[in-house]
Amino acid sequence: DIQMTQSPSSLSASVGDRVTITCRASQSISRYLNWYQQKPGKAPNLLIIAASSLQSGVPSRFSGSGSGTDFTLTIGSLQPEDFATYYCQQSYSIPHTFGQGTKLEIK
Amino acid sequence: EVQLLESGGGLVQPGGSLRLSCAASGFTFSNYAMNWVRQAPGKGLQWISAISGSGGSTDYADSVKGRFTISRDNSKNTLYLQMNSLRAEDTAVYYCAKDYGRVVTAIGDYWGQGTLVTVSS
Repeated sequence: DIQMTQSPSSLSASVGDRVTITCRASQSISRYLNWYQQKPGKAPNLLIIAASSLQSGVPSRFSGSGSGTDFTLTIGSLQPEDFATYYCQQSYSIPHTFGQGTKLEIK
Repeated sequence: EVQLLESGGGLVQPGGSLRLSCAASGFTFSNYAMNWVRQAPGKGLQWISAISGSGGSTDYADSVKGRFTISRDNSKNTLYLQMNSLRAEDTAVYYCAKDYGRVVTAIGDYWGQGTLVTVSS
C-alpha cells in the first residue's frame, strides 16, 4: 500500500496568514493527488484534484502543487472559515489511501 | 443539486451484519462510479470500496475484502454496502461519495452526511 504522510499534523495560524501543508507519498504517484477539507461533524469537501486543479467553487486562495512523491497545499490568506482539518489522498493505486490529516487551528 | 443520503447504520454485535444504503439524486447515477469511505471516531479517513457506474467493476481495501460487498441498483439510484463478520475496528462513520468519473478514480466530489456504525457487544 502507498503510505501518505502529512506534515505538520497540526498547525496554529492567524487570519491573514499564508500556510503550507505538505503531503509525501511512499512511492511516486505522478500527480494523482487530491486535497480535502473537513470541518467537525461534517463530510469532507473536495478542494483540489490532480495535485493542482482547483475544484469549482473553491476560493482561489487555495492552491496545490507537486508531483511524484512531494506535494503541497497552500492557503494564500487564511480566512476564518478555513480553520478545519485537511487531508491528502492518492488516487494512483488501490487502496486509495489518505494522509493522517492536518488540523489547522486559530492562533 | 447533488444529494447523497446514507442510511442503515446502527449498533451491531461483533460477527453481525449490516447493510448500508446511499440514495442519490441530482445527477445521472449510472454515469458515475461511487465510493464508500469511513472514519473511525476521532480518526482520519479510510477509503474502503468503490464500484464503477455500470456496477461491473468493484474494488476493496484489504481490511474489508471478503467481508464487505459493494453493489448498486441504477434503477433505484441507490448504492449499497453489505457488511458481514463485523469487528470492533469497523466502528466508524461511513460516507458514500460520488466519484469524479464513470470509472473509479476514488476522487469523491460529493459526499453524504454519513451514517454511524457501532460494533460492540
